[in-house]
Amino acid sequence: KQEVTQIPAALSVPEGENLVLNCSFTDSAIYNLQWFRQDPGKGLTSLLLIQSSQREQTSGRLNASLDKSSGRSTLYIAASQPGDSATYLCAVRSRGAQKLVFGQGTRLTINP
Amino acid sequence: DAGVIQSPRHEVTEMGQEVTLRCKPISGHNSLFWYRQTMMRGLELLIYFNNNVPIDDSGMPEDRFSAKMPNASFSTLKIQPSEPRDSAVYFCASSLYSTSGTAGNEQYFGPGTRLTVT
Repeated sequence: KQEVTQIPAALSVPEGENLVLNCSFTDSAIYNLQWFRQDPGKGLTSLLLIQSSQREQTSGRLNASLDKSSGRSTLYIAASQPGDSATYLCAVRSRGAQKLVFGQGTRLTINP
Repeated sequence: DAGVIQSPRHEVTEMGQEVTLRCKPISGHNSLFWYRQTMMRGLELLIYFNNNVPIDDSGMPEDRFSAKMPNASFSTLKIQPSEPRDSAVYFCASSLYSTSGTAGNEQYFGPGTRLTVT
């Protein structure tokens, strides 16, 4: 059974810092991995999707990497801004399945 | 593109009442997912459909929960009778499912329905 873990559960950093959010999964037989952002009381916004054959994906100040063999993914946020404050969720789609298995999320606060 | 549309956005009901949540997926998408989010358990898949056919309903907690997808543009999640422990945010998501291995299969989420059962 696939399990997804995100550490830390919460992170608070000053504006302008570069930061890394971590995601680990137990079964390396994945189809893809998706990073989402969730603002309080809102739905999920897809940030990046990495296929199992890819090592990383970039969108603006965001860079997501995938190391399938070690069961890890990281989301790198460059030059953080207060508007980046949100909960970031990692979700894995295993091979042979369509459903996403989610981590519990990292609640990120960027202090002005 | 309007994205995934869910209604109502908020629902407050009394225990024992029937609750129906609605979802309109993104036009052209052929897979639809219902998730539930709680503080204790996070995001969990309840059921998903491919081409309007239920594929996996193993996440549906009890017989009180049922879901239908009568056509490609509409789905409902019904709880009857509702209980206080059903209070949660219910999300609908859709994607374009492909077995080719080249499509993204990225899931797009609606804004959710916040259900409170008193």
